[in-house]
Formats: sequence, C-alpha cells, structure tokens
Amino acid sequence: QVQLVQSGAEVKKPGASVKVSCKASGYTFTSYGISWVRQAPGQGLEWMGWISAYNGNTNYAQKLQGRVTMTTDTSTSTAYMELRSLRSDDTAVYYCAREWRYCSGGSCYTLFDYWGQGTLVTVSS
Amino acid sequence: EIVMMQSPATLSVSPGERATLSCRASQSVSSNLAWYQQKPGQAPRLLIYGASTRATGIPARFSGSGSGTEFTLTISSLQSEDFAVYYCQQYNNWPPYTFGQGTKLEIK
Repeated sequence: QVQLVQSGAEVKKPGASVKVSCKASGYTFTSYGISWVRQAPGQGLEWMGWISAYNGNTNYAQKLQGRVTMTTDTSTSTAYMELRSLRSDDTAVYYCAREWRYCSGGSCYTLFDYWGQGTLVTVSS
Repeated sequence: EIVMMQSPATLSVSPGERATLSCRASQSVSSNLAWYQQKPGQAPRLLIYGASTRATGIPARFSGSGSGTEFTLTISSLQSEDFAVYYCQQYNNWPPYTFGQGTKLEIK
C-alpha cells in the first residue's frame, strides 16, 4: 500500500533552517510528483510547492521563493523540503502529498491522493 | 491566484441528518475541484475530485456537485466519524493550488 512517512518534529530558532524528509513506499516513486503543504496551528492548508520525482523540476509558491528548496533522492524514494531563514510564522505542521494525475475529457489534472502524517516544525527563540 | 471561500465556517448537525457545505471560487475552476476531510491530529484525506467523483473507498453518503465557481459537498446521513473539518481545493489553475479556509462540521 502507498505510504509517505515523514521525519520527526523539529524545534528551531528564528533564522535557522529545517529540512523535512518524506519517504515513499508502495508505488514507483519516479512516476509521481510530490507537493508540500503546511498548516499553521488552528489554520487552513497552504500549498508550498511541487517537485517532480522523475526529473527534479520544481515549482514554488511565490511567497516562499528564495527560502525553500525541494529535492528528491530516487535511490531511497525520499523527498526533502528545506526551509531557511525561519520565522515564528513558519511554525506549522508540514505535510508531503503525492500528486496523482488523472485524465478526463482530453485533459489531464493533478491533485493530492496520499499524504504523509505531518511534521511539526516549531520556530521559537 | 484563485481564492476559495467556504461557508459556513462552522456547521452544527445532528447524527443521521444531512449536511451541506459550500465552496465558492473567485473565478471559474471548471470541475477541477476536490474535497478533503481532516480529523484532529491527522492528515487530510481525499474525498471527492472532479467536483463529483468519489475517491477510492469513500462511502456513497458523500456526494459533490457544482461547476464553475459554485460547489457543494453533501453528506446524506451523518455518522459519528464524519465530524471533522472539510476543505475544498482547486487544481484548475496552478501554481498555486489553493484551498478554502475550511468548514468545521460539529455535532449538534
């Protein structure tokens, strides 16, 4: 069965960096993209960006450009998300999600069908 | 960026009754709209995609409708496990993918 298993909770000081991992199993890793979505305490869902596990192409949310880097290691079927220059408002649960592609009416679309369990990142001095 | 708006923010319904949740997009997203369910301490779970197609394993009491800018998620007879937060998400125009702010479905 498809599983995305994320690394454990992190506590970081403002200005530091954090790198969260997401290990995939149960499917061919390079056949799907991975998106990262975060959720601040008591808040909604915010898409952070996407990486193709096939060729490493990325697309980041504009507000995070310059602070976020997404990578993959196909040898271990693991995706990574690094966020730099952390601020208190980066405190959130960070999720990885598999991008599932389906086609309808001659066009194809992607959305999120499987999610990791989430990683709490706390930014505090 | 397409803004997704959900209403109401909180919906109180008794078990066994019907719940109707709404989602509006700031511009047309065609039928490229998904609904997710999130329970406390858990990741979101895909319920509906293509505005009206149930994802694998989702019970028939969940149904979605709408197209363009107006969408509805209906839960026909609420079970105890259905009380959760529900999010709509558009995937017609990205980046970015955008989500609504959520509707909390609580027990009346």
